[in-house]
Amino acid sequence: DQQVKQNSPSLSVQEGRISILNCDYTNSMFDYFLWYKKYPAEGPTFLISISSIKDKNEDGRFTVFLNKSAKHLSLHIVPSQPGDSAVYFCAARSGTSYDKVIFGPGTSLSVIP
Amino acid sequence: DTAVSQTPKYLVTQMGNDKSIKCEQNLGHDTMYWYKQDSKKFLKIMFSYNNKELIINETVPNRFSPKSPDKAHLNLHINSLELGDSAVYFCASSARTGFGNTIYFGEGSWLTVV
Repeated sequence: DQQVKQNSPSLSVQEGRISILNCDYTNSMFDYFLWYKKYPAEGPTFLISISSIKDKNEDGRFTVFLNKSAKHLSLHIVPSQPGDSAVYFCAARSGTSYDKVIFGPGTSLSVIP
Repeated sequence: DTAVSQTPKYLVTQMGNDKSIKCEQNLGHDTMYWYKQDSKKFLKIMFSYNNKELIINETVPNRFSPKSPDKAHLNLHINSLELGDSAVYFCASSARTGFGNTIYFGEGSWLTVV
């Protein structure tokens, strides 16, 4: 029962262009969403988050958009840089269990110089 | 100055053995976790502890026993290792329970059972 889905296992983008990573969820109780970035042989690191009361959150080159009615969120990276090449995990939690963060399977982003 | 550190990073062991993975965080966080990343790359929570008290136990086999001697440490002991236990195990911590807290992960421990 996969509550957080990332249907694109991989994505390749040219340096300088926009990267768009998508995430869908099934649990309508989720009220907080996070994106983590993971390099090989390292642990995931927090990137950006968004509360369900917002539809957009921006931090530098990274913007997360949330469409609650569609149960969909996306991470935009503009402009993409080679150092952004990593696996990106979408994650979510619900108000009933803040400690239980549910992760998606990840999308591997390659930014081509 | 590693915030969440876990040892060993790599572990190869035979079926049936008992092994432990140690985790320490120097962030002053109250909550610690163990996550497992399986061969399909899914990151799944196994346990969480808040101030040494077990909060989440995600139907993990009894062979897995977390131990938190203090709030800065959460060790994972695995008895009678099986081939299916091969995975990457991530320790993590967060400042508090509740809305908006960020989870900080260690670098992972690669366990291979042969």
